[in-house]
Amino acid sequence: EVQLVESGGGLVQPGGSLRLSCAASGFTFSSYWMHWVRQAPGKGLVWVSRINSDGSSTSYADSVKGRFTISRDNAKNTLYLQMNSLRAEDTAVYYCARAGPDYGDYYFDYWGQGTLVTVSS
Amino acid sequence: EIVMTQSPATLSVSPGERATLSCRASQSVSSNLAWYQQKPGQAPRLLIYGASTRATGIPARFSGSGSGTEFTLTISSLQSEDFAVYYCQQYNNWPPLFGQGTKLEIK
Repeated sequence: EVQLVESGGGLVQPGGSLRLSCAASGFTFSSYWMHWVRQAPGKGLVWVSRINSDGSSTSYADSVKGRFTISRDNAKNTLYLQMNSLRAEDTAVYYCARAGPDYGDYYFDYWGQGTLVTVSS
Repeated sequence: EIVMTQSPATLSVSPGERATLSCRASQSVSSNLAWYQQKPGQAPRLLIYGASTRATGIPARFSGSGSGTEFTLTISSLQSEDFAVYYCQQYNNWPPLFGQGTKLEIK
């Protein structure tokens, strides 16, 4: 059974940093591109970042470029999102999500339960 | 930048009836369109990808159709567990982009 379990969310002050983790199990983690998607309270889904299967290529939404860094450790089956210079508008539930199996399949077939990040003073 | 528009924002339907949800793209996304279901407090669940292919474990009452700019998600006979928010997502153009969602509520 595919499982994605996020952790690391919490309350942080504006300008602060937080590192999210996503532990994967039930599939060959190193074979899949992975993504982060966020959802502000009461709002819709917004794609944040992606990383390819070996970690050599990354991409970011313009709203987080230069502040967030996605990475992965295939030996530990874990995805990360380092978030720096956090702003109030980054407040959201952050989901890690697995991409479809083929190159270019940028839909998300499995999702974690999400971790809440709150940026507030 | 591409824009994904879902309609209606809220749809009220009685259990056992058919529900039809629409998603429109501002430019062609070919068949690179997915649908998700999200219930309160839960993560989204993939229903449909490739505009019309049901994901693993998704009941046959869910069907997707369309290509280019116009897409439809149809739920043939609504069950109580189907009342939720539904999102479409295009993945033909970068970045992946979701619609704003349609809330399917009990009439």
